[in-house]
Amino acid sequence: AQRVTQPEKLLSVFKGAPVELKCNYSYSGSPELFWYVQYSRQRLQLLLRHISRESIKGFTADLNKGETSFHLKKPFAQEEDSAMYYCALSGGSGGYQKVTFGTGTKLQVIP
Amino acid sequence: KAGVTQTPRYLIKTRGQQVTLSCSPISGHRSVSWYQQTPGQGLQFLFEYFSETQRNKGNFPGRFSGRQFSNSRSEMNVSTLELGDSALYLCASSQTGYRGNIQYFGAGTRLSVL
Repeated sequence: AQRVTQPEKLLSVFKGAPVELKCNYSYSGSPELFWYVQYSRQRLQLLLRHISRESIKGFTADLNKGETSFHLKKPFAQEEDSAMYYCALSGGSGGYQKVTFGTGTKLQVIP
Repeated sequence: KAGVTQTPRYLIKTRGQQVTLSCSPISGHRSVSWYQQTPGQGLQFLFEYFSETQRNKGNFPGRFSGRQFSNSRSEMNVSTLELGDSALYLCASSQTGYRGNIQYFGAGTRLSVL
């Protein structure tokens, strides 16, 4: 079974403060992990995925297989970062997608 | 390219009825996945289709079914609706549906069961 845990429902930080959104996973194979974001009144969209090892909008996420974590980090929060963030794991049989999402963390950046 | 299109955007049904939701993927995408989103459970995977074949399914009762047509458009059907089926149903498309593929989401269909 595959599972994704996001322990915080709401994370409030001040503008300019560092941000860390936590994500832990459970999966028996080699995971494909993503962060998706949903801004107010917009569709759910990809923020970043671990295989790309890239920084998007200042966000980074490192896969830690030992701790089974994929935390999302940003050194300096901006007001426009306020949104709902979902960690997702793509598993499934035959190499096909069966995506499990965490319950999401609402990030609130206080001006 | 046009994005993922879901119709209708809103639906109101009563218990016991059935409902069909539609999803048109991004042109060239052959994989379509369906999710149920509720405040309590978050996003839950329903099933994934590729080339008219269901390849993976989540833990939902048999009342939830789907299909995919040769043009990759997909429909989801829920029979014998229950109050607990009230949710936002999201469709996502990707190129091949293989693990690691980026998914592109539609705006969703909000179903209310009275």
